[in-house]
Amino acid sequence: EVQLVQSGAEVKKPGESLKISCKGSGYSFTSYWIGWVRQMPGKGLEWMGIIYPGDSDTRYSPSFQGQVTISADKSISTAYLQWSSLKASDTAMYYCARVAAAGTGANYFDYWGQGTLVTVSS
Amino acid sequence: DIQMTQSPSSLSASVGDRVTITCRASQSISSYLNWYQQKPGKAPKLLIYAASSLQSGVPSRFSGSGSGTDFTLTISSLQPEDFATYYCQQSYSTPPGFTFGPGTKVDIK
Repeated sequence: EVQLVQSGAEVKKPGESLKISCKGSGYSFTSYWIGWVRQMPGKGLEWMGIIYPGDSDTRYSPSFQGQVTISADKSISTAYLQWSSLKASDTAMYYCARVAAAGTGANYFDYWGQGTLVTVSS
Repeated sequence: DIQMTQSPSSLSASVGDRVTITCRASQSISSYLNWYQQKPGKAPKLLIYAASSLQSGVPSRFSGSGSGTDFTLTISSLQPEDFATYYCQQSYSTPPGFTFGPGTKVDIK
């Protein structure tokens, strides 16, 4: 069974750093891209970026380039999303998701983690 | 950047109703359009990929159509468990992009 299990909720202060994780199981972790999606309170879904754990090739949404860092450790089937200096506006639910590909070349997020709630408050 | 819009932003419907949600891309995205359902406090769930392919395990009352810039998600007979927010997503951009639409909330009339 494919599973993506994310790390637990975090409460941080502005200016602090943070790294949250997403552990994949039940499939070949190095063969699928993993994406990160932000959902601010009461708002919609925003794609942040994707990483290919096989070679750590990473692509960012222009909206998030330079704001976060996406990485992966294929030895433990885990992807990460990190911030060097959090802001109150980073308060949101963050989801990881596996990127699947149809034969036509279409890509989509087929399995999702349960989400990690990040709260940034002084 | 490809922008996605959805209409309506919300709708009220009754159990058994036929519901149609529209998604429009700012430029042609061929058939690279996906639909997700999200219930409060839960992760999104894939319903339709590549515009019209039903994800395994998703009830057949859900269907998708369209290509180019205009797409629709149809629920043929709304069930109580279908009250949720629905998002479209494009996966056409190069370099890869997965822009979501703003969502359509379906609630009980």
